[in-house]
Amino acid sequence: GDSVTQMEGPVTLSEEAFLTINCTYTATGYPSLFWYVQYPGEGLQLLLKATKADDKGSNKGFEATYRKETTSFHLEKGSVQVSDSAVYFCALSEPGANSKLTFGKGITLSVRP
Amino acid sequence: ETGVTQSPTHLIKTRGQQVTLRCSSQSGHNTVSWYQQALGQGPQFIFQYYREEENGRGNFPPRFSGLQFPNYSSELNVNALELDDSALYLCASSMDSLWGYTFGSGTRLTVV
Repeated sequence: GDSVTQMEGPVTLSEEAFLTINCTYTATGYPSLFWYVQYPGEGLQLLLKATKADDKGSNKGFEATYRKETTSFHLEKGSVQVSDSAVYFCALSEPGANSKLTFGKGITLSVRP
Repeated sequence: ETGVTQSPTHLIKTRGQQVTLRCSSQSGHNTVSWYQQALGQGPQFIFQYYREEENGRGNFPPRFSGLQFPNYSSELNVNALELDDSALYLCASSMDSLWGYTFGSGTRLTVV
């Protein structure tokens, strides 16, 4: 079955540091890939997405490239801010009638001033 | 767009009771999914509805059931509550699921 593996956390960075959060996936078909962010006490917000190989999703300074050859979708940001502190989830969705989201376990990012 | 609204935000129930959680989706979002998020874990897929018909189900027992209504609202019902059902329940809707879902803020259910 489908699965998403995220690097172990939590991650603590200083403001303006470079961020990389690793995500790899296993899927039977050609999934769409997503990063969702969850702020304390809130639901999930779509951060960015990519629907085919070599696509780059980007939003709010975050980027991730759909790498089919390495089945990866790593999240990067050049300079993190305190307001980026949240839980980040990598997810995939297979095409078809039941296009459920399969999530990784999530990783907590804390950015200190 | 009004977003996805879930109610109630918090709920405490006793083991063995039944609970109904509600979700109001965005207009035009024909697909609605429900997820269970245990503390410190990623959301787990419960089931999905498309135009009022269930079209996918995760690894959850039959005491988890749902409904979707023509006005883009939906319900998650859980019978015979167990302590392990304590979690954040998330509703998500989409017009085209390959482009992503819009999530509500969730209902925090505590079973005691």
